[in-house]
Amino acid sequence: AQSVTQPDIHITVSEGASLELRCNYSYGATPYLFWYVQSPGQGLQLLLKYFSGDTLVQGIKGFEAEFKRSQSSFNLRKPSVHWSDAAEYFCAVGARNFGNEKLTFGTGTRLTIIP
Amino acid sequence: EAGVAQSPRYKIIEKRQSVAFWCNPISGHATLYWYQQILGQGPKLLIQFQNNGVVDDSQLPKDRFSAERLKGVDSTLKIQPAKLEDSAVYLCASSSQGFEGNTIYFGEGSWLTVV
Repeated sequence: AQSVTQPDIHITVSEGASLELRCNYSYGATPYLFWYVQSPGQGLQLLLKYFSGDTLVQGIKGFEAEFKRSQSSFNLRKPSVHWSDAAEYFCAVGARNFGNEKLTFGTGTRLTIIP
Repeated sequence: EAGVAQSPRYKIIEKRQSVAFWCNPISGHATLYWYQQILGQGPKLLIQFQNNGVVDDSQLPKDRFSAERLKGVDSTLKIQPAKLEDSAVYLCASSSQGFEGNTIYFGEGSWLTVV
């Protein structure tokens, strides 16, 4: 069965600083990988996704993520964070089983931005 | 394009009472998901529908939870009787054809507190 580990429960960064959120996955085949963001009281919004091809994926809001098969990782990065980036970030792996597709989420990383 | 609609947004009930949540997916989306998100955890899939058929309900506590999707459009998730540990956000999501080239869109969630 697939699983996702987000080792950092809470990260605090200064506005304008760079950001990297870690994600490690476990899946027996080529994974579908996703990053979602959840603002307080809101649903989940897709930031970016990886299916195949270029291992560096660009997303919305200036985010990018790099798929590293050898490390089973899909870390999310942003060169300069803004106060509005404060939110909960979830990494997810998608599994396809007999035509059914489902997402398995990590436990999330809460991002706090300080002025 | 209208998003995934959910109601009610907030509900407080006493244990052993019942509650029902409603979801209206994005028009034309064949796949509908219900996720449970307990505070501090990532979303966990409860049930997945393809049109009006169930394709995965392996993590649905069937002794107290039930869900239906009549006519392959709207869906209702019911909990009866509720337990304290059911306090969570219930997220509905929908997608058109699957991971590749498509996105799973989430609603804003229905927040349940069981006291």
